[in-house]
Amino acid sequence: IAGITQAPTSQILAAGRRMTLRCTQDMRHNAMYWYRQDLGLGLRLIHYSNTAGTTGKGEVPDGYSVSRANTDDFPLTLASAVPSQTSVYFCASSDARGGGTDTQYFGPGTRLTVL
Amino acid sequence: GQNIDQPTEMTATEGAIVQINCTYQTSGFNGLFWYQQHAGEAPTFLSYNVLDGLEEKGRFSSFLSRSKGYSYLLLKELQMKDSASYLCAVLDSNYQLIWGAGTKLIIKP
Repeated sequence: IAGITQAPTSQILAAGRRMTLRCTQDMRHNAMYWYRQDLGLGLRLIHYSNTAGTTGKGEVPDGYSVSRANTDDFPLTLASAVPSQTSVYFCASSDARGGGTDTQYFGPGTRLTVL
Repeated sequence: GQNIDQPTEMTATEGAIVQINCTYQTSGFNGLFWYQQHAGEAPTFLSYNVLDGLEEKGRFSSFLSRSKGYSYLLLKELQMKDSASYLCAVLDSNYQLIWGAGTKLIIKP
């Protein structure tokens, strides 16, 4: 079934540890995104990639890094986790050729708790 | 700055009609999206409007007025499964999606 997968589903992490959240899509979408969602706040963009080999910073990039070595994969790394990074993380992708093709499709999310 | 406003929470009765409003102030406009998000799940796409007017999709309709910076999502014949959060998002001049905080819709029998 075509779509986006994320791993792990959930994780409890000690502060200071390094963590990589994985995201893979099989829709051949050129653009991919990482969001965090916190209670009472809208989805906030962390990083994005418009095409393989390029990445950009979103609204809340500090403490996070990404890479886009190929079309399908877009991992998000927390170099040294802090409790304020406790959140639900969603990966999304879109065809991003303008207009309705900018519709973003979301993975199931990763629930991360940093203690 | 860029801003999307939606009511935090709404309550409606099964079988009724509910309208969820969204107002926006963004740098440029390349379309407005509505997503549905059930608790503990990912957002799923509902509708896209780029021209003024009403788009109808079954029980759901979405309206846009670009001059007023306003949209609404209309849900008819409400069902219990419609209990969810509804997210409004605007594609700005840089083709980045700006998200509202979402409206939690509670359906009562």
